[in-house]
Amino acid sequence: EVQLVESGGGVVQPGGSLRLSCAASGFSFSSYWMHWVRQAPGKGLVWVSRVTTAGTYTSYADSVRGRFTISRDNTKNTLYLQMNSLRADDTAVYYCAREGSGGYHFDFWGQGTLVTVSS
Amino acid sequence: QSALTQPASVSGSPGQSITISCTGTSSDVGNYNLVSWCQQHPGKAPKLMIYEGTKRPSGVSNRFSASKSGNTASLTISGLQAEDEADYYCCSYAGDDTWVFGTGTKVTVL
Repeated sequence: EVQLVESGGGVVQPGGSLRLSCAASGFSFSSYWMHWVRQAPGKGLVWVSRVTTAGTYTSYADSVRGRFTISRDNTKNTLYLQMNSLRADDTAVYYCAREGSGGYHFDFWGQGTLVTVSS
Repeated sequence: QSALTQPASVSGSPGQSITISCTGTSSDVGNYNLVSWCQQHPGKAPKLMIYEGTKRPSGVSNRFSASKSGNTASLTISGLQAEDEADYYCCSYAGDDTWVFGTGTKVTVL
């Protein structure tokens, strides 16, 4: 069974940093591109970032480029999101999602971890 | 990277059919046959319902179907059931290794 379990969320002050993790199991993690998607309270889904299988290539939404870094450790079956210079509008539930075979869609999602940026 | 436009809400009675629209631009929906649709129940993770425009993952009811015309994609739910009450989001590849989601539609079963 495919499982994605996020962790690392919490309350952080504006300007602070946080690192999210997503532990994957039940599939060959190193064979799949992975993404982060976020959802502000009561709002819609917003794509954040993607990393390729080996971690070589990454891409980001304009709103987080230069502040967030996506990475992965295939030996630990874990996806990461390093978030720096956090702002109030980064407050959201952050989901990791697997990009499905054939690409361009998200076929499995974790349950999410809540990040709250507040003083 | 502006969000795709969806109606805020759509409702229907059990057994009826409803359609949710998803309007983008010639840079995303109109340029790729790569629209997907997700269902999200309150407090839950999204679930993939449609991918690559019209394909259903294994286990998804054939009551869910999708299409596209120009810059607008559509999701149709036939034979509406109480369990279909949820939020629905479209998503499109937008080029340059970026993706864009829709604004979301709340489906209510009357």
